[in-house]
Amino acid sequence: GDSVTQMEGPVTLSEEAFLTINCTYTATGYPSLFWYVQYPGEGLQLLLKATKADDKGSNKGFEATYRKETTSFHLEKGSVQVSDSAVYFCALSDRGGTSYGKLTFGQGTILTVHP
Amino acid sequence: ETGVTQSPTHLIKTRGQQVTLRCSSQSGHNTVSWYQQALGQGPQFIFQYYREEENGRGNFPPRFSGLQFPNYSSELNVNALELDDSALYLCASSDFNEQFFGPGTRLTVL
Repeated sequence: GDSVTQMEGPVTLSEEAFLTINCTYTATGYPSLFWYVQYPGEGLQLLLKATKADDKGSNKGFEATYRKETTSFHLEKGSVQVSDSAVYFCALSDRGGTSYGKLTFGQGTILTVHP
Repeated sequence: ETGVTQSPTHLIKTRGQQVTLRCSSQSGHNTVSWYQQALGQGPQFIFQYYREEENGRGNFPPRFSGLQFPNYSSELNVNALELDDSALYLCASSDFNEQFFGPGTRLTVL
């Protein structure tokens, strides 16, 4: 079945540091890929998405590129802020394109940014 | 802020009881999905409803059941509660182009 593996956490960075959170996936077909963010005590918010190979999703300075050859969707940000502290989830949808089917999530990576 | 609401916010039940969680979808969305998020884990797909019909189910036992109403709001029912059912339950409202998650219901089973 489909699965998503995220890098072991938690991740602790100083403000303005470079962020990478690794994500690899296993899926049949051509899934869509997502990064979600969860702030303390809140639900999930979509951060960015990519619906086909070589697409780059971006939002709020975060970027991730859909790499079919390495089955990866690593999240990057050039300069993190304290307000980026949250839990980040990589996910895939069992439906390609923009339709939202069943989402399979990774285990989450806790990011803490210190001033 | 999305238009997806869930009730109640928090709930405490004891083993063996039954619980009903509710979700109001975003205006114009015809699909609702439910997820269980145990502490420190990623959400796990329970099932999805599309226009009042179940449209996919994850690896959850039959004591997890649901409904979707003509206005596309939805309920999640769990019978014979077990301690491991303690989790944050999230609903997600979607149409073909977008999906929004609600804030979740925190269920504690004692």
